[in-house]
Amino acid sequence: DAKTTQPNSMESNEEEPVHLPCNHSTISGTDYIHWYRQLPSQGPEYVIHGLTSNVNNRMASLAIAEDRKSSTLILHRATLRDAAVYYCILRGLSGNTGKLIFGQGTTLQVKP
Amino acid sequence: NAGVTQTPKFQVLKTGQSMTLQCAQDMNHEYMSWYRQDPGMGLRLIHYSVGAGITDQGEVPNGYNVSRSTTEDFPLRLLSAAPSQTSVYFCASSYSGFRRGVSGELFFGEGSRLTVL
Repeated sequence: DAKTTQPNSMESNEEEPVHLPCNHSTISGTDYIHWYRQLPSQGPEYVIHGLTSNVNNRMASLAIAEDRKSSTLILHRATLRDAAVYYCILRGLSGNTGKLIFGQGTTLQVKP
Repeated sequence: NAGVTQTPKFQVLKTGQSMTLQCAQDMNHEYMSWYRQDPGMGLRLIHYSVGAGITDQGEVPNGYNVSRSTTEDFPLRLLSAAPSQTSVYFCASSYSGFRRGVSGELFFGEGSRLTVL
């Protein structure tokens, strides 16, 4: 199973950008990189995903390294509501695409 | 659309009792899965299904059974509950990337909090 590695925790100041890294050195050519976040006492929610090119949506941006072995979720201006656990996972299109492993994620603290 | 609905939201069991956590989705998703989350920990995959009639084991399948007789429902059964199964359980669903050629985003339920005494 393709796995990802993330720092356990990160801190940010409110209204500053946040860069959350994820390493996935065993990524295969058809694996998409997905990011989810889990607010306290809630179920995880989808944030963004991409394959090769950088992606933007209303929540965040995803920067994917050229060799695709790492990616970075970018929150452009952190707010207190962005304090959550952020998970990076790989989801492929071929083979066994069902075994989606989340790991521990990165706990983001946002300081006012 | 209701999305992913989990019932019950809270349940207390005694050791050795059995119960079923229900999960239903109304988005016609092929893929469904169950995760457990222990306090302060990440999500661990229990079982998953890529379509009706197909199920497979995740990271921590022992003590749990699943079946997928319809596209909409994916119940999780605890045959003989143990205190180690005290956890919050999340059901998730999505389109199946393998079948549709897209990497579908997962939709999660609100969770079912289970306590085994």
